[in-house]
Amino acid sequence: NAGVMQNPRHLVRRRGQEARLRCSPVKGHSHVYWYRQLPEEGLKFMVYLQKENIIDESGMPKERFSAEFPKEGPSILRIQQVVRGDSAAYFCASSPGSAGGNTEAFFGQGTRLTVV
Amino acid sequence: QKEVEQNSGPLSVPEGAIASLNCTYSDRGSQSFFWYRQYSGKSPELIMSIYSNGDKEDGRFTAQLNKASQYVSLLIRDSQPSDSATYLCAVRSGRAQKLVFGQGTRLTINP
Repeated sequence: NAGVMQNPRHLVRRRGQEARLRCSPVKGHSHVYWYRQLPEEGLKFMVYLQKENIIDESGMPKERFSAEFPKEGPSILRIQQVVRGDSAAYFCASSPGSAGGNTEAFFGQGTRLTVV
Repeated sequence: QKEVEQNSGPLSVPEGAIASLNCTYSDRGSQSFFWYRQYSGKSPELIMSIYSNGDKEDGRFTAQLNKASQYVSLLIRDSQPSDSATYLCAVRSGRAQKLVFGQGTRLTINP
């Protein structure tokens, strides 16, 4: 019974390159969340996705950041033209839904992005 | 006003005592509430969920919810040094019921 799988665990990119972070949810979960966390800070909401649909992207920067959760395959968080300020831990979580019954969300191990 | 607020601490409690962690939220329509524990350098781990007013107990942990006061708390009885971590309160908020976190309370249990 695999949990949320994120890869890579560590990613180093030079300024200006693209970073692509992947998240495979718990089997049977149709909702995915992405969060960013800086050292000694809380989890900052970025985007909430359902398969083939963005439910809430109010936490996503307007430029360079995008996310998708296709019908098949993992959810992808893409950061184009990375800058040093993008260095952080990026966590993905998944849940069966968001209303009624069990809405518990479980986290992956995170991707630590370092921009050099 | 932040959607979810916690006292960032640090909160220091002697071993064996009760640790009390508090959280308030702004969206009166919120229906689902969660407590996560995060050790340094690790990912958040779900420890309690609560959906209705009152208390919910699980081992040494008790979650308390008061929707009228928009208040959630977590009590840890017989605190152990291994309970030392940051505790994150999370609430489903807004029309889309996205999962929003407080800034976390750092708890230290002193032997």
